[in-house]
Order: sequence, then structure tokens, then C-alpha cells
Amino acid sequence: DAGVIQSPRHEVTEMGQEVTLRCKPISGHNSLFWYRQTMMRGLELLIYFNNNVPIDDSGMPEDRFSAKMPNASFSTLKIQPSEPRDSAVYFCASSLGLAGAEQYFGPGTRLTVT
Amino acid sequence: DAKTTQPPSMDCAEGRAANLPCNHSTISGNEYVYWYRQIHSQGPQYIIHGLKNNETNEMASLIITEDRKSSTLILPHATLRDTAVYYCIVRVRGTGANNLFFGTGTRLTVIP
Repeated sequence: DAGVIQSPRHEVTEMGQEVTLRCKPISGHNSLFWYRQTMMRGLELLIYFNNNVPIDDSGMPEDRFSAKMPNASFSTLKIQPSEPRDSAVYFCASSLGLAGAEQYFGPGTRLTVT
Repeated sequence: DAKTTQPPSMDCAEGRAANLPCNHSTISGNEYVYWYRQIHSQGPQYIIHGLKNNETNEMASLIITEDRKSSTLILPHATLRDTAVYYCIVRVRGTGANNLFFGTGTRLTVIP
């Protein structure tokens, strides 16, 4: 199995630009999670989906952030407009079945907003 | 979910067993203990989980005390590649929110 796939691995953009991060979960997994990691705040859950439906988006910092999961094999996290404080590593993870199951993380996207 | 307490850092000699402690004195009867680790510049990696009994898999062993207020993750023969931040997480399995609270973890350094 290829594991969770994220793209791009690195993204550098200017403030005000739109950024789209992509994730392909492990085949057969029905839950997908987006996390953000910074030195100051550690690893934080932004949003998670179950069977392609957003379940909890309370971690999304503000309206500039949006996430979609149009099908079981693809999700996007979009930031529009981006700001320097959005600079972080963004991880996608997937899991199978019931809540609390083991989550498998992708390699992350390192976002730098200048 | 119950809070956990871990030492901020530990060292271990290569080839020796690494024993990483975790205190979770407020754990509830239906909460499991999970361990994840994060190697530098990589995504977190699931290691093992347990409820009451000790557990072992190809990566590690998990020892949970009888009162379940603490646990120890054991890497039997640490290698340099085991250098990482190790997170102990306590949460209910099967119900409720699906988020993991990672905390600050223990930074394990395996020394040659």
C-alpha cells in the first residue's frame, strides 16, 4: 500500500495568494483528517471527514480555510487568502472504521507564506 | 479524554531497551492508551494501543499498570532510527469525537 499521499510536499507562496493542499487517503479508509503543526502550537486537528462528510470543523482557524472531500479517494484543504501566520506543516491522515481507530499520516506539506 | 504526563526528553544507548513512561492518573474505564511517534520531518506514526492487558507488536511493547494510571512503552532494542518524539494519548475508542490530542510528548534520543 502506498500510504497516505499528500501534494505538494513543499509550497512557497506570497501573502494573499490562494493555496490548495491535496490528500489521497489509504484505499478503503473511510475517515480523513487534516492537521496543522507549528512550533508554537504543536499538532492541531483542523477538520475531519467520515464517509466524505465533514464531521467536526471546529479546529479550522477562520473562514479563510476550507476543506472538501468530493469522493473517498481525494480531499483538499484550501487557504484563501493566505497569510504569513498560516506557515506550518499540514498533515493529512486516514483511518478505517470506528472513532478512535489508528490514524495513518501522510508525509505532510510544508507551507511557507511570505 | 484524560490528560497524560510524559517526561520532555530521554536518552537511550543504541541496542538497549528504551522505556518511555506515561502517567494518566485520570483515565476512565473505557479509555485506551495509544502511542504514536514522530520522526523528524515526517508525519506521526501509530505504534501500539491497549486497554488493560499488556500488548506487543513488531514495533514495541506496551505495559499498563493494574490500576491503569500509568503505562510504559518499551522499544526492546533501540536503534538510531528510533530517535523521535513519542506521544502517549488516552482516548475513548469507538464513540465520540475522533480527534487525537498529541501534547508535547517525549523526545527520545538514541545514542550510538
